[in-house]
Formats: sequence, C-alpha cells, structure tokens
Amino acid sequence: GENVEQHPSTLSVQEGDSAVIKCTYSDSASNYFPWYKQELGKRPQLIIDIRSNVGEKKDQRIAVTLNKTAKHFSLHITETQPEDSAVYFCAAKRNNDMRFGAGTRLTVKP
Amino acid sequence: DAGVIQSPRHEVTEMGQEVTLRCKPISGHNSLFWYRQTMMRGLELLIYFNNNVPIDDSGMPEDRFSAKMPNASFSTLKIQPSEPRDSAVYFCASSLQGQTNQPQHFGDGTRLSIL
Repeated sequence: GENVEQHPSTLSVQEGDSAVIKCTYSDSASNYFPWYKQELGKRPQLIIDIRSNVGEKKDQRIAVTLNKTAKHFSLHITETQPEDSAVYFCAAKRNNDMRFGAGTRLTVKP
Repeated sequence: DAGVIQSPRHEVTEMGQEVTLRCKPISGHNSLFWYRQTMMRGLELLIYFNNNVPIDDSGMPEDRFSAKMPNASFSTLKIQPSEPRDSAVYFCASSLQGQTNQPQHFGDGTRLSIL
C-alpha cells in the first residue's frame, strides 16, 4: 500500500520568513496530493491540492510543487504569520485510498 | 452548506462499554471515510464506503470495531467492547468520488476517552 513520509516533524520560523514542508510517497499510481492544516482541537482543513498532471500550484502565500519522477511534493508558505501556526498534513491518494503523512507542527514566532 | 456532522463531540465511558459514533456526510457526497487520530499513530484510515458499500476495511484495528452505512446520509462506527487504548479522536470525512479527484471534507471529530 501507499506510504507517505513527511519532514520535518516540527518547524519553527520567524514571522515573515518562508516555511517548506516536504513529503515523499511510494505508490507511483497516486495521482492526487492534498495538504491539510489542523489547528489545535480542530478538524483538518484543506488548504491546497495538486493533481498529478500539474507540477506546481499557487494560492496567494501558499504553493505546492510535485515531482512525479522522484515521487515527492512540497508545501511552501511565504511571508508566514502567527496564524499559520498549526499542524500540516500532506496526503497521497490513489482511487479513494488516501494516506496521510505524520504531520509537521509549524510554529511562527512573532 | 452544513458540512460533515459528527456526534457526539465528546464521549467518556468505562472500558467494556459499547460506543457508537455517528456521521452525516455532506449532501450529495458518495464516499465516506472514518479516521482515527492519535499522537502516536497520526491520522489512520479505518474504513471507507463508496455509495454506501464498504470498500476497504483493512484499517479497522480489530473485530471489536465495526462500521455501517445504511443510507447515503448516515454512518456509524461502533466499538464493542471498548478498551482504554481506543481513546483517540475519530474523524469522519466525505467526498464526491467521480472521474476527477475531489478533496475530502472532515467533520469536527469525536473525542473518545475510555477509562
């Protein structure tokens, strides 16, 4: 089955700096890669996703890149703000089977 | 849009008791997922349904766990008998499964504590 690895497990940045979270997946048939943000005590919420026919996608301060050959994808957050502090999960999906990474706890220091 | 609705939000019960978690997916969605989240194991997929039919239950930890989806608007996850190690947050999610990949939308979860 699919195995998703996510790094780093914790990330601390200064407000205004960029944050990068990286994930790798094992199943080359996976074709959909969402990213979720989970604040403490809340549900995971989709922040951006990318499909396997696209190499990069951007939405304001958030961007995701996908390298299908290397089977890795990354989340980039620019101009970080304290409200970006949360746990971020990557996921890889094949058909209806979606597997999550272990999560990255991002702390943005004011 | 009411989103995915889960109940109860919190459940505290003694070990050995039966626990039933409930989920109402987003109207029109045809896929439903049950996840368990713990600090040690992260987000684990337990089971998912397509058009009310269980497709993959390989994530269900033991026979003590069972899930049903009697109709398109309701699903239950049952633990019987419950054990302290079942304590976790259980999320239900739904999506529209079709030709293009669609995201899963999560409910607010049920925080389960087994004493």
